[in-house]
Amino acid sequence: TQLLEQSPQFLSIQEGENLTVYCNSSSVFSSLQWYRQEPGEGPVLLVTVVTGGEVKKLKRLTFQFGDARKDSSLHITAAQPGDTGLYLCAGALIQGAQKLVFGQGTRLTINP
Amino acid sequence: SAVISQKPSRDICQRGTSLTIQCQVDSQVTMMFWYRQQPGQSLTLIATANQGSEATYESGFVIDKFPISRPNLTFSTLTVSNMSPEDSSIYLCSVGRVLDPQRTQYFGPGTRLLVL
Repeated sequence: TQLLEQSPQFLSIQEGENLTVYCNSSSVFSSLQWYRQEPGEGPVLLVTVVTGGEVKKLKRLTFQFGDARKDSSLHITAAQPGDTGLYLCAGALIQGAQKLVFGQGTRLTINP
Repeated sequence: SAVISQKPSRDICQRGTSLTIQCQVDSQVTMMFWYRQQPGQSLTLIATANQGSEATYESGFVIDKFPISRPNLTFSTLTVSNMSPEDSSIYLCSVGRVLDPQRTQYFGPGTRLLVL
């Protein structure tokens, strides 16, 4: 059973389109991180959200934490080829010590 | 954040042999973790590396197969023992701080292992 369900797992769209990636759980998280990983590299932290209902923006990327802190979304506006990569959400469980729980990942391809 | 390096960056090994992967961070950190990322997959936590004591392993991972050392607050090693082709993966170390309420982790570049 996957504790953090991430969808879609694969997404291929044209440059300029918008997209949303979702992470959902029945568990409550004290925080949730989004990472992007490019081939041959380790995951790079994009953002951490900690407050229910919180919205953070990073240029064309908008991150939202659900009110109940059980889910999160990543929205990309006007996607560009440079956005291509593996996007990972990871949650810190309330009772989970220091560990993170990772979603399955979304492999995003932006076609020129 | 922290600057994390891993050695080797990649290796090709024969089955039955062992490989030790090193993780070095540029500042003292309280938490160090080792993950495995199989081809096309997400990250799976192998263990938490504890300074001065035995690592804490996740379900499905055992010390005999993945012995871990952490002699100080900036360095850890993971050994993949008696390797088989199923061990072909990316191995990643990450660091965090126990006093960080957000529990953010920062990752090294990974070690790409191919077992023949």
